[in-house]
Amino acid sequence: AQSVTQLGSHVSVSEGALVLLRCNYSSSVPPYLFWYVQYPNQGLQLLLKYTSAATLVKGINGFEAEFKKSETSFHLTKPSAHMSDAAEYFCAVSDQHYGQNFVFGPGTRLSVLP
Amino acid sequence: GAVVSQHPSWVICKSGTSVKIECRSLDFQATTMFWYRQFPKQSLMLMATSNEGSKATYEQGVEKDKFLINHASLTLSTLTVTSAHPEDSSFYICSAREQGKETQYFGPGTRLLVL
Repeated sequence: AQSVTQLGSHVSVSEGALVLLRCNYSSSVPPYLFWYVQYPNQGLQLLLKYTSAATLVKGINGFEAEFKKSETSFHLTKPSAHMSDAAEYFCAVSDQHYGQNFVFGPGTRLSVLP
Repeated sequence: GAVVSQHPSWVICKSGTSVKIECRSLDFQATTMFWYRQFPKQSLMLMATSNEGSKATYEQGVEKDKFLINHASLTLSTLTVTSAHPEDSSFYICSAREQGKETQYFGPGTRLLVL
């Protein structure tokens, strides 16, 4: 069975600073990994996904994430935070068999300070 | 592409009434749809998975007679909360996935308030 942990339920950064949101996963089979963003009172928007191709994945809005099998991690980064990045971020894992067993992490709220 | 809509976006109802929420995939055929529930400041909890033309598979602890799911076409799934009570108040989010693809695309959510 898959599981996901996100270190830090709340992360604050200054505008222009590096954003690093941590995600570690557990999976007994090769995983697919996803990052989603949720703005207040809205659904989830896919930021990026890892599906066993390149380990460094680039997504929308300047975000990227690197799959590190040895560390079972899929941390999300952005070089320079913008005020509009303030939102809830969810990491998710599924297995590679038609994306079954899709599991979300608990989420990390990102605040961007002026 | 890959747009999922939900209707209504919010609903207020009296205790004991039933509420139907629609989830539509607008530009792709969704062989599988998922229904999630999200409480304030918490992650999404999967309620059930439905495959087009089949009965939904409910997660442990989710009452299938209370949360009726229908997935009669490749673009529409409905969730009916029967005899709603205040504790059913929540944010309900659906997602849809194309056959053979790994990504779920999410709807904007429906906020339900039961008085």
